[in-house]
Amino acid sequence: NAGVTQTPKFQVLKTGQSMTLQCAQDMNHNSMYWYRQDPGMGLRLIYYSASEGTTDKGEVPNGYNVSRLNKREFSLRLESAAPSQTSVYFCAIKVRGANTDTQYFGPGTRLTVL
Amino acid sequence: KQEVTQIPAALSVPEGENLVLNCSFTDSAIYNLQWFRQDPGKGLTSLLLIQSSQREQTSGRLNASLDKSSGRSTLYIAASQPGDSATYLCAVRRISNFGNEKLTFGTGTRLTIIP
Repeated sequence: NAGVTQTPKFQVLKTGQSMTLQCAQDMNHNSMYWYRQDPGMGLRLIYYSASEGTTDKGEVPNGYNVSRLNKREFSLRLESAAPSQTSVYFCAIKVRGANTDTQYFGPGTRLTVL
Repeated sequence: KQEVTQIPAALSVPEGENLVLNCSFTDSAIYNLQWFRQDPGKGLTSLLLIQSSQREQTSGRLNASLDKSSGRSTLYIAASQPGDSATYLCAVRRISNFGNEKLTFGTGTRLTIIP
């Protein structure tokens, strides 16, 4: 997973509970991303961060907040979890190559909201 | 809005066969296209990336082609093995005029290689 770690691996929440998903990279890259993956929907971008201290909304940001306090970590927070947020969440980093850019993904966090 | 489609959603083939996975996209103004592999319960692993100016890329038994004008890409797997069983996702990358990057994923093809 190219140095991208996510915690926790699994989480079960009750509706209305809050939690923070953590993502960390050890490769000193600027851009980091949070996606959710749902059956039949593909991966959808929730938020991204082009650099430390900056964040931008993706395709499905509602119900989430993010924080990029340093270059290494990018966290995703659910303030009041809903069953619709049951999903697998992936963090990714963008790696700049000589000719192009590519993304590397973490192992994912499987979240169930009851 | 870019839409990426992968058909079929699932595919089973006997071991040793060559096979082709398909990916189509609606907006041909892409920066590049990437094929990923995802094993059950795991994250995504990048397999091949094709720049918009390229026609194909090869890595071992994998060959990915890109026809940007028709909005199609294929992933060819030669001499399939049981270890190739996984879900294969394609994703197209677009860069906006403001430099914002957007990666749009297909829903994937779940491949099963039958020993």
